[in-house]
Order: sequence, then structure tokens, then C-alpha cells
Amino acid sequence: DAGVIQSPRHEVTEMGQEVTLRCKPISGHDYLFWYRQTMMRGLELLIYFNNNVPIDDSGMPEDRFSAKMPNASFSTLKIQPSEPRDSAVYFCASSPFDTQYFGPGTRLTVL
Amino acid sequence: EDQVTQSPEALRLQEGESSSLNCSYTVSGLRGLFWYRQDPGKGPEFLFTLYSAGEEKEKERLKATLTKKESFLHITAPKPEDSATYLCAVQDNYGQNFVFGPGTRLSVLP
Repeated sequence: DAGVIQSPRHEVTEMGQEVTLRCKPISGHDYLFWYRQTMMRGLELLIYFNNNVPIDDSGMPEDRFSAKMPNASFSTLKIQPSEPRDSAVYFCASSPFDTQYFGPGTRLTVL
Repeated sequence: EDQVTQSPEALRLQEGESSSLNCSYTVSGLRGLFWYRQDPGKGPEFLFTLYSAGEEKEKERLKATLTKKESFLHITAPKPEDSATYLCAVQDNYGQNFVFGPGTRLSVLP
């Protein structure tokens, strides 16, 4: 298996623009997680899905953030409109039950 | 609220100099404690899962141990390639939520 795949790997955008991050989890994993990592706050859970259903989105910072999982092999995290404070590395992880396997991350820079 | 702290924040070792990293946690009911390694520019890489106090896991130069309040990651005779940030996370019995600690940045000098 190729592991968790994320795209794009790097994204530079201007404040106010819409940003969409994509994730393909490991096949057969029922859980999918979105994290944000910054130097100041470390690794923070934003939202997670079980069998494509959002279970806990309490970590989503604002209504500007939304996540979807239309099927078992694809998820998106959207920020609209983006702000400079959203600059961070965004990780997707998938899990069969407990152990989480992380993707390489998307480095987002909002100017 | 579940909490995880790690110490030290950063650690510099000479090659071959053994040491331990600490992860202290507060959780209402522990389902599992996880150790990850993260290299710069990459996602965290899974190392170990520990489920109950007294449990130990080993992999090459690393050994993880667990008590009711903390976990240690022991590094024996480290090599420069062990340089990375080591993250600890806990999962409680109530869901799939992971709470990560801030990490320990390890540098092993040749």
C-alpha cells in the first residue's frame, strides 16, 4: 500500500482565497483524521470521520473550515476564506482502529 | 480534559550516550499510549502502542515503558539517524480522539 496520500504538498495562497486540501486514506481503514501542526500549538486534531461520517469536529477552529468525506477513499479539508493565521502544516491520518498512520502533510502558507 | 506533557523539550546526546524521554499524561480512562517519531518535513511515523501499566515494547535501540501516569522512551546507544522529534499521544476510552504532547526534539551528534 502506498500509505496515506495528501495533495498538494505545498500551497501558497493569498488571504481571502479558498483552499482545498485532499487526502486519500489507506484502503480498509475505517477512521480518517485531519490535524494541523504549528510551532506554537503543536499537533491539533481538527476533525475525524468513522466510515465516512464526521464524528467529532470540535477542533475545527471556525466556520471558515469544513471537511467532507464523500467516500471511503477520499476526503477534503476546505478553508474559505483563508487567513494568514491558517498558515500551518495540515496532516491527514487514517486508522483501522487505534494506531494512526499519517500522510506527508500539506504545508499551507497564506499571504 | 486529557493532557500530555513531554520532557525535556530538547535533548542533545553524543553518539552512544543512552538516555530517556518522558511523557506524562492525564486521562480519564486510558485506551492506549502511542509513541511517534517525526522527521523534519514529514508526517509522524508510528513507533509503539502501550495499553496497560507495566507493558514494555522494544524496537532496535528504542524501548517504551508505561506506568499509570507516565511513559518513558529509552534510547540505548543512539546513532545520528535517531535524531528526530519524538511525540507521545494518548487515546481515552471514550472515543477515537488522540491528544498529542508537544514532543521532544532529539539531536544525536556523531
